[in-house]
Amino acid sequence: DAGITQSPRHKVTETGTPVTLRCHQTENHRYMYWYRQDPGHGLRLIHYSYGVKDTDKGEVSDGYSVSRSKTEDFLLTLESATSSQTSVYFCAIATGALYEQYFGPGTRLTVT
Amino acid sequence: EDQVTQSPEALRLQEGESSSLNCSYTVSGLRGLFWYRQDPGKGPEFLFTLYSAGEEKEKERLKATLTKKESFLHITAPKPEDSATYLCAVQFTSWGKLQFGAGTQVVVTP
Repeated sequence: DAGITQSPRHKVTETGTPVTLRCHQTENHRYMYWYRQDPGHGLRLIHYSYGVKDTDKGEVSDGYSVSRSKTEDFLLTLESATSSQTSVYFCAIATGALYEQYFGPGTRLTVT
Repeated sequence: EDQVTQSPEALRLQEGESSSLNCSYTVSGLRGLFWYRQDPGKGPEFLFTLYSAGEEKEKERLKATLTKKESFLHITAPKPEDSATYLCAVQFTSWGKLQFGAGTQVVVTP
């Protein structure tokens, strides 16, 4: 258990509304990541962070933004949710010399 | 384009029937290969990291091996509790970016 929590765990929202997902860690890890998981696509990286206020894009970043104002919290925001953003979202932290990643429990987001 | 391919997509085993899962990759400059287990409705659970060709890691009934272009996850005498989706991921940058395969869904029946 890498001390990662995600909130909310489930959310249903309407197209066009903003949504923020939160990832919280308790062990002061520098690197944090947001992924989405969809059938047929596996896990894909959305954004990652390598420190407070230091973030960068992953392979599927369009329509998403992130913020990290504290080491322990990494927020993922969908500025205007679309049905294509219906997915399961996982947060991860990296630890060790090879950046082994440990995942949170996930947030299931449905955009109607 | 860097790719990670897992096979088979699904595997149904009888309890005690050993088998192997494959993960092949075309990534250049591999820094590490990772295996995860994922149960329905949960996040991936870290199993193994492999660094270099010839390396092997074991955990209970699972053994992971690595060659220059592929990795195998061997499941020896599986039990129903080994039923899960097994994910493979490769790392090819210095900051931990992982490229995941689509996974192999394993079902072990009593």
